[in-house]
Amino acid sequence: AQKITQTQPGMFVQEKEAVTLDCTYDTSDPSYGLFWYKQPSSGEMIFLIYQGSYDQQNATEGRYSLNFQKARKSANLVISASQLGDSAMYFCATRMNRDDKIIFGKGTRLHILP
Amino acid sequence: DGGITQSPKYLFRKEGQNVTLSCEQNLNHDAMYWYRQDPGQGLRLIYYSQIVNDFQKGDIAEGYSVSREKKESFPLTVTSAQKNPTAFYLCASMREGLANEQFFGPGTRLTVL
Repeated sequence: AQKITQTQPGMFVQEKEAVTLDCTYDTSDPSYGLFWYKQPSSGEMIFLIYQGSYDQQNATEGRYSLNFQKARKSANLVISASQLGDSAMYFCATRMNRDDKIIFGKGTRLHILP
Repeated sequence: DGGITQSPKYLFRKEGQNVTLSCEQNLNHDAMYWYRQDPGQGLRLIYYSQIVNDFQKGDIAEGYSVSREKKESFPLTVTSAQKNPTAFYLCASMREGLANEQFFGPGTRLTVL
């Protein structure tokens, strides 16, 4: 069965600092995808970044990068130069190639301090 | 504009009543999903559908039912059997392909009085 673990319920980070949000996963499928989403207080879910299990390089999207360590089953999100608007809930999710079922972690609430 | 609509945004029901939450997408996506989110918690999968007239149970399907009669629509019924239905409900859709992300609707906040 798929499982996503996010061990940091909440984090406080000073504006302009980099922040790493942890995510570990458990899946039996050798082919899978990993996703990160942002959920502001408005409740909408915003897709940030994707990493495939066979991708050789870590994914990057602007200020977001994914530190993918396959052997450790780790897919941490790194936000560089944090901004006040980054304050939100962040969710890690996984999908196996054999079906369309997507499982989310419990999330990390990030607070950016001015 | 393409997207996912959920209505209504806020819904109030009396205990013991069934209620149906609407989810419509015009993105031509095959897969659709329903998630439940409780305060400060993650998203838990209720049901998902990969194709019309077919759907699978997620991790917390008890007390819920769905239908997928059209590609664009995936309504969720919260039945009286659901013991604690007050929550935020999110609908999502997705194109086929491992790398494709889910697109989410704005959500429906259900309060059972």
